[in-house]
Amino acid sequence: GAVVSQHPSRVICKSGTSVKIECRSLDFQATTMFWYRQFPKQSLMLMATSNEGSKATYEQGVEKDKFLINHASLTLSTLTVTSAHPEDSSFYICSARDRSGNTEAFFGQGTRLTVV
Amino acid sequence: QKEVEQDPGPLSVPEGAIVSLNCTYSNSAFQYFMWYRQYSRKGPELLMYTYSSGNKEDGRFTAQVDKSSKYISLFIRDSQPSDSATYLCAMSEDTGGFKTIFGAGTRLFVKA
Repeated sequence: GAVVSQHPSRVICKSGTSVKIECRSLDFQATTMFWYRQFPKQSLMLMATSNEGSKATYEQGVEKDKFLINHASLTLSTLTVTSAHPEDSSFYICSARDRSGNTEAFFGQGTRLTVV
Repeated sequence: QKEVEQDPGPLSVPEGAIVSLNCTYSNSAFQYFMWYRQYSRKGPELLMYTYSSGNKEDGRFTAQVDKSSKYISLFIRDSQPSDSATYLCAMSEDTGGFKTIFGAGTRLFVKA
């Protein structure tokens, strides 16, 4: 089946630094990728929708200058958490839709970010 | 009121039991209904995908959608300890640009 690879799976960084998370579709072309944040025992909170070759669409309350999203190709989207603070510590997950547009069938493994 | 309501549990059952997981929703425009399984500290995995009303079966899993009641269910037969996970329901209005709305997830524990 189709695979979405997310890297890194875990990262610890110091306050004030930036962290980049990659999301790759390995065997299909993802025209749309989604970035979620998930707090412990809570559901997925959509942060932004990323379309290849265009600017990401951010959900209300999500700072676009803090969470930079780039979808440079049909197989790669990146999320950069800039000037990270401890409150940014969370589980970040990407998902991808293929060209047919059918549901979000493919999720990455998630990235646990800890800001110290 | 949330668009999608799901009891977070936890739900604890003995091995071999039939498990029933449910979600209700308020948006009558939802047409695509999904169930995901998420193990601890992992990304969700799509289990079942249903369009509009009706039933769909895949092995030990059966998904039901009742659009008239705005109610969806996932049944797990002969539950196994390996089924212990969080189960998320999700739905969307259409493909393409519409967002997927997720339930809060139900934590399931199957005891050996």
